[in-house]
Amino acid sequence: GAGVSQTPSNKVTEKGKYVELRCDPISGHTALYWYRQSLGQGPEFLIYFQGTGAADDSGLPNDRFFAVRPEGSVSTLKIQRTERGDSAVYLCASSLFSEDTQYFGPGTRLTVL
Amino acid sequence: RKEVEQDPGPFNVPEGATVAFNCTYSNSASQSFFWYRQDCRKEPKLLMSVYSSGNEDGRFTAQLNRASQYISLLIRDSKLSDSATYLCVVNYGGSQGNLIFGKGTKLSVKP
Repeated sequence: GAGVSQTPSNKVTEKGKYVELRCDPISGHTALYWYRQSLGQGPEFLIYFQGTGAADDSGLPNDRFFAVRPEGSVSTLKIQRTERGDSAVYLCASSLFSEDTQYFGPGTRLTVL
Repeated sequence: RKEVEQDPGPFNVPEGATVAFNCTYSNSASQSFFWYRQDCRKEPKLLMSVYSSGNEDGRFTAQLNRASQYISLLIRDSKLSDSATYLCVVNYGGSQGNLIFGKGTKLSVKP
């Protein structure tokens, strides 16, 4: 079956702009996670959804970052007033339930100039 | 102190070698443990879960020592295709579903 998909695969933007990153989880998976991976580092947790609600958003670095999952499937990560330090690969993962194996999408490589 | 710490690497080994990766975690509340593999510019993929009793999958053996908060991965008879970054991962479980990753250890297997 289809895995986790993310769009766009690459996004180049200018400092101060707004960006949206999309994640389509595996069909039927109730839990969805966003991570951010900088060069030479492991992925770092941002936010976790169980169904439509954010069960844990403690990893969001500041209030410029926001994510939604209005129908409990597709999720959008939104970044306002982007900064150069936001440049990273943004990874989405989903799992059937919250304690099951997480399957990762290919990521969106964000570059802020 | 990082929650999950790994050998910095890189590990450069010849084909057929045995290589061991070590990892320590700081939070004794951690409940689940994993090794993920990440190829260059690709997403992480689960290699294996790690259990207290130790577990083996072909050439790969994982061990967990809860008392020492230590996790290991042993790769025997390494292949060129084993070249990747190996990420040590823990999960607190319960309502905290997120994974906590180490920085990863890069393995390069040479002919």
